[in-house]
Amino acid sequence: GDSVTQMEGPVTLSEEAFLTINCTYTATGYPSLFWYVQYPGEGLQLLLKATKADDKGSNKGFEATYRKETTSFHLEKGSVQVSDSAVYFCALLGGSNYQLIWGAGTKLIIKP
Amino acid sequence: DTGVSQNPRHKITKRGQNVTFRCDPISEHNRLYWYRQTLGQGPEFLTYFQNEAQLEKSRLLSDRFSAERPKGSFSTLEIQRTEQGDSAMYLCASSPPSEGGYTFGSGTRLTVV
Repeated sequence: GDSVTQMEGPVTLSEEAFLTINCTYTATGYPSLFWYVQYPGEGLQLLLKATKADDKGSNKGFEATYRKETTSFHLEKGSVQVSDSAVYFCALLGGSNYQLIWGAGTKLIIKP
Repeated sequence: DTGVSQNPRHKITKRGQNVTFRCDPISEHNRLYWYRQTLGQGPEFLTYFQNEAQLEKSRLLSDRFSAERPKGSFSTLEIQRTEQGDSAMYLCASSPPSEGGYTFGSGTRLTVV
């Protein structure tokens, strides 16, 4: 079945560092891919998405490119801030077209 | 429209009691989903509605759980005879007919004591 694998956390970085959180997937067909962010004590927010190969999703300085050849959707940001500290979830919407398949989440800690 | 609204935000209940949660989706979204999330884990799918029809229910969901969406608008999730293992964050989300990703509510945190 479809699945999503994320790098394990926590990931700890200093402010203004470059961020990469790896995400790879297994799916039949051509899934849509998403990154969600969850700040402490809050619900899940859609950060960015890509619906077809080579699409780049971007929002709030974060980017991710849908790479079909490597089945990846890595999240990147050039210069992180303390306010980016949160848990980041990679997810795919596959053949069912309604059920999101989630990665386990990666906790990001940014130190001043 | 202020997004997906869930009530209550927090619920503490004694083991064996019944609880009911409410979700009000974004008005033009015809799809509604319930998920459960425990600490340190990703969301776990519970059930899915398209308009008023419940089209899918997780096999992991016991018979103590039931969800309704009677008029295709708000939805309720009821848990009967709660157990300590039901303690979790219950998340509701909605999406439009076209593919585009969910919008989540802030969740209802259930604590069973």
